Amino acid sequence: GAVVSQHPSRVICKSGTSVKIECRSLDFQATTMFWYRQFPKQSLMLMATSNEGSKATYEQGVEKDKFLINHASLTLSTLTVTSAHPEDSSFYICSAQDGGRGDPNEQFFGPGTRLTVL
Amino acid sequence: KQEVTQIPAALSVPEGENLVLNCSFTDSAIYNLQWFRQDPGKGLTSLLLIQSSQREQTSGRLNASLDKSSGRSTLYIAASQPGDSATYLCAASYNQGGKLIFGQGTELSVKP
Repeated sequence: GAVVSQHPSRVICKSGTSVKIECRSLDFQATTMFWYRQFPKQSLMLMATSNEGSKATYEQGVEKDKFLINHASLTLSTLTVTSAHPEDSSFYICSAQDGGRGDPNEQFFGPGTRLTVL
Repeated sequence: KQEVTQIPAALSVPEGENLVLNCSFTDSAIYNLQWFRQDPGKGLTSLLLIQSSQREQTSGRLNASLDKSSGRSTLYIAASQPGDSATYLCAASYNQGGKLIFGQGTELSVKP
């Protein structure tokens, strides 16, 4: 149980285009999802916290107009990188908290999405 | 500022050795601490979660300890195997349902 999927696993796009990444909780309802970014050889940095049905809360320094987050259902959150540039190339990982069982604080992570902007 | 630090950044050991990975946090008012494993190019796998009221958690060959007063957590791996090779991350949470603050990770290599 507690499986989180991400799609796509890898995407290459041209500079200036927008890319959408999906994060799904497969066997539980996720009231809260988190989006992280990880640059090579670095740790995960939280970008934003997403609660179902409400606006996402962004961390300091993260542009909310550039990284659009939508958490429209209890099993799906999307991150859209708008007008992507090469410096946005990174590994994007989502996580989800299971609001219905176990430890409500435990986060379950997706497999990540490798974004490369040419 | 709440920060999490992991030392060493990389560790190489021969197969069969017992080893300890270290994690320190600047704010001792921790809510819980998690240890994760990350394989290259992959997401995170949760290994152990220690609540602030707990001193340690065990799963198989893994044992994680938490000492809030000193701001430290350790992950002990017994009888290491090549399959244990990965990056190990610790992350602290300071409130219920709150965000995780990650350390930089320790890249472990277990040589056969």
